[in-house]
Amino acid sequence: DAGVIQSPRHEVTEMGQEVTLRCKPISGHNSLFWYRQTMMRGLELLIYFNNNVPIDDSGMPEDRFSAKMPNASFSTLKIQPSEPRDSAVYFCASSLRQGSTDTQYFGPGTRLTVL
Amino acid sequence: DAKTTQPTSMDCAEGRAANLPCNHSTISGNEYVYWYRQIHSQGPQYIIHGLKNNETNEMASLIITEDRKSSTLILPHATLRDTAVYYCIVRESFGNEKLTFGTGTRLTIIP
Repeated sequence: DAGVIQSPRHEVTEMGQEVTLRCKPISGHNSLFWYRQTMMRGLELLIYFNNNVPIDDSGMPEDRFSAKMPNASFSTLKIQPSEPRDSAVYFCASSLRQGSTDTQYFGPGTRLTVL
Repeated sequence: DAKTTQPTSMDCAEGRAANLPCNHSTISGNEYVYWYRQIHSQGPQYIIHGLKNNETNEMASLIITEDRKSSTLILPHATLRDTAVYYCIVRESFGNEKLTFGTGTRLTIIP
């Protein structure tokens, strides 16, 4: 398996532009997570899906952020409009819930720079 | 999630065992201890997890005290590639799939 795939790996954009980050989870996994990592705040969960349904979006910073999972093999995280403070590394992770535990596998991340 | 406390940084000589401690004094009965690590510029990587008993896999061993208030991750023969930030996370077994990452321990393997 190729693991979790994220695209693009690097994104540089100007303030006010729309940014779309993409994630392909590991085939067969039923949960998908979006995390953001900054020096100031560390690694924080933004939202997660189970069976394509958003379960907890309490970490989404504000209405400028939205996430979708139209099917089991694809998810997007959109920022519109983007701001310089959104600059961070965004990680996608997926897992297969089995019994009482699961293991999250992370993608390589998308490094976003908003100028 | 129960909070964890880890040392900010540690050094270990290459080839020696690296022992990374974690305190989780408020852990409850249905919470697991998970360890992840993050090598520079990469996504976090799962290492091991356990509930009560000690666990071992190809990467590491996890020793959990009898009262479950602390644990130690052991990398038996550390290599330079083990230099990373190591996160100890306490997580509920049912219902809550969240991983809450703290600041972790920055482990540096010295040649």
